Amino acid sequence: DAGVIQSPRHEVTEMGQEVTLRCKPISGHDYLFWYRQTMMRGLELLIYFNNNVPIDDSGMPEDRFSAKMPNASFSTLKIQPSEPRDSAVYFCASSPTVGGGEQFFGPGTRLTVL
Amino acid sequence: GESVGLHLPTLSVQEGDNSIINCAYSNSASDYFIWYKQESGKGPQFIIDIRSNMDKRQGQRVTVLLNKTVKHLSLQIAATQPGDSAVYFCAERAGDYKLSFGAGTTVTVRA
Repeated sequence: DAGVIQSPRHEVTEMGQEVTLRCKPISGHDYLFWYRQTMMRGLELLIYFNNNVPIDDSGMPEDRFSAKMPNASFSTLKIQPSEPRDSAVYFCASSPTVGGGEQFFGPGTRLTVL
Repeated sequence: GESVGLHLPTLSVQEGDNSIINCAYSNSASDYFIWYKQESGKGPQFIIDIRSNMDKRQGQRVTVLLNKTVKHLSLQIAATQPGDSAVYFCAERAGDYKLSFGAGTTVTVRA
């Protein structure tokens, strides 16, 4: 298995622009998680899905952030409009229902908003 | 070498020595704990996990100890190698599928 796939790996954009991050979870995994990692705040859970349905979005910072999972093999995290304080590494992770609870992380997308 | 909780975020250890990384968790209802390793430019990678009905679990060169009385978790790495240099995170889960991560400890292995 290729593991969790994220694209792009790096994104540089200007303040006010729309940013879309993409994730393909591991096939057969029922749970998908979006995290943000910064030096100041560490690794924060933004939202997670179970069977393509958003379960908990309490970590989404504000209305500028939205996430979708149109099918079991694809999810997006969108920021519109982007701001410099959104600069971070965004990780996607997936997990099977059956198992210990381990989450498998993708390589991340490093976002820089100028 | 040994680090304590989230207040000493760095640990320097001599190659070949054993490492102990500590983590204080916050939720007494947490029933599952996990250690991740994150190398520069990569996503967190699973090391070992433990459920709250256990107090010790061993893997290859790693041991996790859980003390629920004082809400303390530790990761022991035997015979530390240069490839063990990374940031190590503990995470806890309380009944649902959400993981709460600690701040992380940076481990540097000296040759």
